[in-house]
Amino acid sequence: QQQVKQSPQSLIVQKGGISIINCAYENTAFDYFPWYQQFPGKGPALLIAIRPDVSEKKEGRFTISFNKSAKQFSLHIMDSQPGDSATYFCAAGGGNAGKSTFGDGTTLTVKP
Amino acid sequence: ETGVTQSPTHLIKTRGQQVTLRCSSQSGHNTVSWYQQALGQGPQFIFQYYREEENGRGNFPPRFSGLQFPNYSSELNVNALELDDSALYLCASSFDRGSDQPQHFGDGTRLSIL
Repeated sequence: QQQVKQSPQSLIVQKGGISIINCAYENTAFDYFPWYQQFPGKGPALLIAIRPDVSEKKEGRFTISFNKSAKQFSLHIMDSQPGDSATYFCAAGGGNAGKSTFGDGTTLTVKP
Repeated sequence: ETGVTQSPTHLIKTRGQQVTLRCSSQSGHNTVSWYQQALGQGPQFIFQYYREEENGRGNFPPRFSGLQFPNYSSELNVNALELDDSALYLCASSFDRGSDQPQHFGDGTRLSIL
């Protein structure tokens, strides 16, 4: 049973556009929702994270929107750049077990 | 500040063999988590070590085992390798246990089973 579902699988956006990636979770015990960026041949790097007590968090061009009642959260990349082309993963975690559950990733291509 | 380093970068083994992967955690971090990332999928949690003890385990068989040393570096051992074990193995360290701690990933070990 996949606990974190991510969509779309791939996304193509023009330079300067907005990229939107969505995730849905099932386990209400999750209380930490990070997003990671992964380039080919590299490990995932933490981009931004949110807790369920806030509905939105913004860091630079990256914004997380969180809807606790719908058990959904999304990543918005404003003014998308070719350098943003990478695979993005949402994740969810909770408690002291240290386990993070990842979505299957979205491959973003930003065209110049 | 030295980041998370993993060795080796690539490894080729055959079915039935055993393998040991190594991870040096980021300076100041006492927690290490291991993940398996199959091609085209997200990382899957194998287990976490906090101060040399296992602190949570994912849905992986006992032939996946680990260790954490007093300097907080860690090893992942896999026995009786199967073809499905071919994947990128990622190590992540964090300042403390708990899934709300930012995790810093290494670049992984690419394991191929022939």
